[in-house]
Amino acid sequence: DTGVSQNPRHKITKRGQNVTFRCDPISEHNRLYWYRQTLGQGPEFLTYFQNEAQLEKSRLLSDRFSAERPKGSFSTLEIQRTEQGDSAMYLCASSSKSKTGELFFGEGSRLTVL
Amino acid sequence: GDSVTQMEGPVTLSEEAFLTINCTYTATGYPSLFWYVQYPGEGLQLLLKATKADDKGSNKGFEATYRKETTSFHLEKGSVQVSDSAVYFCALSDRAPGQGAQKLVFGQGTRLTINP
Repeated sequence: DTGVSQNPRHKITKRGQNVTFRCDPISEHNRLYWYRQTLGQGPEFLTYFQNEAQLEKSRLLSDRFSAERPKGSFSTLEIQRTEQGDSAMYLCASSSKSKTGELFFGEGSRLTVL
Repeated sequence: GDSVTQMEGPVTLSEEAFLTINCTYTATGYPSLFWYVQYPGEGLQLLLKATKADDKGSNKGFEATYRKETTSFHLEKGSVQVSDSAVYFCALSDRAPGQGAQKLVFGQGTRLTINP
């Protein structure tokens, strides 16, 4: 399967713990995005990488959130000191520079903070 | 800021019925408009797009026309099938495709169920 892969698919944690999600984009895509989706809402943009450079960050991305893409391939999204309000689906998407606006999404990583 | 508003769901129709899902947007400038679809157990995928006023996007029997005068991008299909059951998201980007990162603004989604 050459689609966008996200792990883990579901994470349950206690408030105050740290969690990390991983995204493996489509291999030839140089752009990678993170979105967050809460129940009954559409996805909201969090951050964007072009190769290994993080070029944009939303105001939604508090200082407890950090994302990396160290070699321009896979990316990680870490949430420190989780809060119940962090419970959401975290979506990763990738795109090619040559593609006309299409993002390819993974199935998402669902976070539940107890 | 930019925003997208979709008709409230869920929407339930019988097979072969006509479908309309309304979408209106607020944006400065000239956004590109998209419909994404999420089938059960799958990631979002692009259904169709339009990049300028009066463009019509189409795919799999679905159509949507970019109406700048009414700031709308309504999704239509003449005869729905059970396999069209999914969640549909209207979205906009303030950048033309190929002009940088597609920082999409999504509507809240409309769940569609088609009964046989």
